[in-house]
Amino acid sequence: GQQLNQSPQSMFIQEGEDVSMNCTSSSIFNTWLWYKQEPGEGPVLLIALYKAGELTSNGRLTAQFGITRKDSFLNISASIPSDVGIYFCAGQPADGGSQGNLIFGKGTKLSVKP
Amino acid sequence: NAGVMQNPRHLVRRRGQEARLRCSPMKGHSHVYWYRQLPEEGLKFMVYLQKENIIDESGMPKERFSAEFPKEGPSILRIQQVVRGDSAAYFCASSPGQGLYGYTFGSGTRLTVV
Repeated sequence: GQQLNQSPQSMFIQEGEDVSMNCTSSSIFNTWLWYKQEPGEGPVLLIALYKAGELTSNGRLTAQFGITRKDSFLNISASIPSDVGIYFCAGQPADGGSQGNLIFGKGTKLSVKP
Repeated sequence: NAGVMQNPRHLVRRRGQEARLRCSPMKGHSHVYWYRQLPEEGLKFMVYLQKENIIDESGMPKERFSAEFPKEGPSILRIQQVVRGDSAAYFCASSPGQGLYGYTFGSGTRLTVV
């Protein structure tokens, strides 16, 4: 089946540092989504991207939909302790699958040292 | 305005028993999606339902698993004769219509098979 390759798997950073993570696929996606999941909870949507080349910000978070439609990145600027969690990319492939069928990456686990 | 409600939050079953997981979508949402998350993994799509209809069950195992979303009441994911490999977090999401607008996840049910 379709897969999303998300990297890095984990990051240990100092408070105040910027963070960058990305997701790639061998096939084209129509939509890219970035989620954050905290322990014991469901994923919470951070940013949704619908058009190739789109660059969208949400506070200290910025995400881009790659021009090839096969990748996306998420940046977090000036990290704070509450940024800790697992960040997932997810997407809706262009070929096949119903509209609600999202493909998820394996996540990037972020740890922030105060 | 309650979000997507899943219960129970935690469920322990012995091998061979049945597990029934419930999902009440957000008010006004008539589309429900079920996902499974294994430890250290991303979410994997299982099934997409609209009231009284299964739209896409491409991610559902062929045996022992079934899902329904009746006209009245919550959506139910049923796992018969559970095995240890069924231990996972099961998440439900709902949306008001087709597509990703308003697509919201619940907090999940953690199933442990002993």
